Amino acid sequence: AQSVTQLDSHVSVSEGTPVLLRCNYSSSYSPSLFWYVQHPNKGLQLLLKYTSAATLVKGINGFEAEFKKSETSFHLTKPSAHMSDAAEYFCVVSDSSEDKIIFGKGTRLHILP
Amino acid sequence: DAMVIQNPRYQVTQFGKPVTLSCSQTLNHNVMYWYQQKSSQAPKLLFHYYDKDFNNEADTPDNFQSRRPNTSFCFLDIRSPGLGDAAMYLCATSGTRDRGYNEQFFGPGTRLTVL
Repeated sequence: AQSVTQLDSHVSVSEGTPVLLRCNYSSSYSPSLFWYVQHPNKGLQLLLKYTSAATLVKGINGFEAEFKKSETSFHLTKPSAHMSDAAEYFCVVSDSSEDKIIFGKGTRLHILP
Repeated sequence: DAMVIQNPRYQVTQFGKPVTLSCSQTLNHNVMYWYQQKSSQAPKLLFHYYDKDFNNEADTPDNFQSRRPNTSFCFLDIRSPGLGDAAMYLCATSGTRDRGYNEQFFGPGTRLTVL
């Protein structure tokens, strides 16, 4: 069975400092992993995805994530936070053995001026 | 631009009064999904269509129904809304049914209020 855990429900960083949003997954097979961002009262937008190609994945808006099989992690990072990054972030896992995708509970990112 | 459109963006209904939410897409995707998202929670899949093939999640209440008259449009019908159905409803599309490898494209959502 697959599952995904976002280790922090809230993260606060100052503008211009690095961002780290943590995600661990459990999957019986080779998973596909996604990060989505949701701004208030908006739909979800795909930031990046991992589908068994390069383990370091670059996404939009300067975000990237590294797939680490040994640690079963797919943490999202950004070198320098911007005020517009304040939003909810969802880590999502799927594998070909199950016809489902599983959302993490989300991490709310706060950017301090 | 190709996109997923939801109407209305905000819907207010009364307890027990049927309501229909609308989703349309210009992506020509085979698969369309409806999610329910309550405050500070992750989206919860209600059902999806693969072309005209309807797939209901096991725990989706009978109060929720869906129609897909053609590739572009999909509707969510709530037959007798209760206070617990107040939520954001998200429509999404995907190019294939293989959710493991293809991302979903989300609409902006419809926020439903039940009085």
